Amino acid sequence: GIQVEQSPPDLILQEGANSTLRCNFSDSVNNLQWFHQNPWGQLINLFYIPSGTKQNGRLSATTVATERYSLLYISSSQTTDSGVYFCAVASSAGGTSYGKLTFGQGTILTVHP
Amino acid sequence: SAVISQKPSRDICQRGTSLTIQCQVDSQVTMMFWYRQQPGQSLTLIATANQGSEATYESGFVIDKFPISRPNLTFSTLTVSNMSPEDSSIYLCSVSPAFFGQGTRLTVV
Repeated sequence: GIQVEQSPPDLILQEGANSTLRCNFSDSVNNLQWFHQNPWGQLINLFYIPSGTKQNGRLSATTVATERYSLLYISSSQTTDSGVYFCAVASSAGGTSYGKLTFGQGTILTVHP
Repeated sequence: SAVISQKPSRDICQRGTSLTIQCQVDSQVTMMFWYRQQPGQSLTLIATANQGSEATYESGFVIDKFPISRPNLTFSTLTVSNMSPEDSSIYLCSVSPAFFGQGTRLTVV
């Protein structure tokens, strides 16, 4: 099956710093999502971005499908940004449903005041 | 977007017992998905539930341990059977493209 690798595994920032999280995947995809899991376990959908660039406030994401990677940018980080960031993909091979996601191992982000 | 309600939000269960988790969606959907997140780990797909047919299980998951029902296009249940402490996890349901319920935090003692 498709492989998803996220880097870095851990990231510690001071409030106000910027950061870039990376997601590499091993096959063509018809779905790519970035999620933030808060300390209570709630999974929050940040972006649906199988290709192209999107921005939402301090967050933006870019997926280069031909090179099989995606980047999540967090600018002017805040303590509330702390948590685990997951990249998840659905392979486009064999007509796989784009709701059937394979998750990366996540990046644990800690933002200190 | 879809709104997904999942119950219970958390539970503590005795080993050897079973727990049924409910997932309700506010719109009709063809496929629903069940995931497991073990402590400190990422999410892993358990099975895909289609209305009117048997669920499709991923490698490492079997129907006897995780029976799934899908009686209509807005509702599904996942049962965790004959539980052991290793089943302590967060269980989440989702619908395409990837809306997730709040999760059920299960602790088996």
